[in-house]
Amino acid sequence: AQTVTQSQPEMSVQEAETVTLSCTYDTSESDYYLFWYKQPPSRQMILVIRQEAYKQQNATENRFSVNFQKAAKSFSLKISDSQLGDAAMYFCAYRSAMGSSNTGKLIFGQGTTLQVKP
Amino acid sequence: DGGITQSPKYLFRKEGQNVTLSCEQNLNHDAMYWYRQDPGQGLRLIYYSQIVNDFQKGDIAEGYSVSREKKESFPLTVTSAQKNPTAFYLCASSDRRRGYTFGSGTRLTVV
Repeated sequence: AQTVTQSQPEMSVQEAETVTLSCTYDTSESDYYLFWYKQPPSRQMILVIRQEAYKQQNATENRFSVNFQKAAKSFSLKISDSQLGDAAMYFCAYRSAMGSSNTGKLIFGQGTTLQVKP
Repeated sequence: DGGITQSPKYLFRKEGQNVTLSCEQNLNHDAMYWYRQDPGQGLRLIYYSQIVNDFQKGDIAEGYSVSREKKESFPLTVTSAQKNPTAFYLCASSDRRRGYTFGSGTRLTVV
């Protein structure tokens, strides 16, 4: 079974600085997707960034980028130029893309609460 | 606009009572999911359905039941067998090409 681990329950960053959130996962599959979701106090889940395992290039969305290390099974999220609105809980998630395992279900990490200090 | 609607936003359950959480989507997605969120544990899958009239248990299905009679609707019933139902419940639907859309959640509290 696949697992996702976020080892940092809480992180803080100064406004305008850069912060990196860590995520590791365990799987025996070769084809999968990885995601970072943001959950602000409203509790609405917002997709931040998505990475296909077969793509070597790291995904980037404006101030958000990932460092995807497939061999190490690591998928960290870097937030540049942090803003007050980035304060939220961030979840790393895994989804299989292989055959009968491709049910679409997401496996989540425990989450990291990010505080942004003005 | 297409989306997922969960209702109610807040729900209170008495001991021994069954309650049903509603989830409706107008995105024409085939797959729908129910997740439970507890502090410090992330989101855990309760049930999922990939097509109408079919559904599968997730990791924590005990004490819950679902139905999928229509493509748009995937209600979750929290039964009296669920001993610790106080949690935040999230419904989602999926188009495998575009990914997930989440509802805004239901906060269930036992009183």
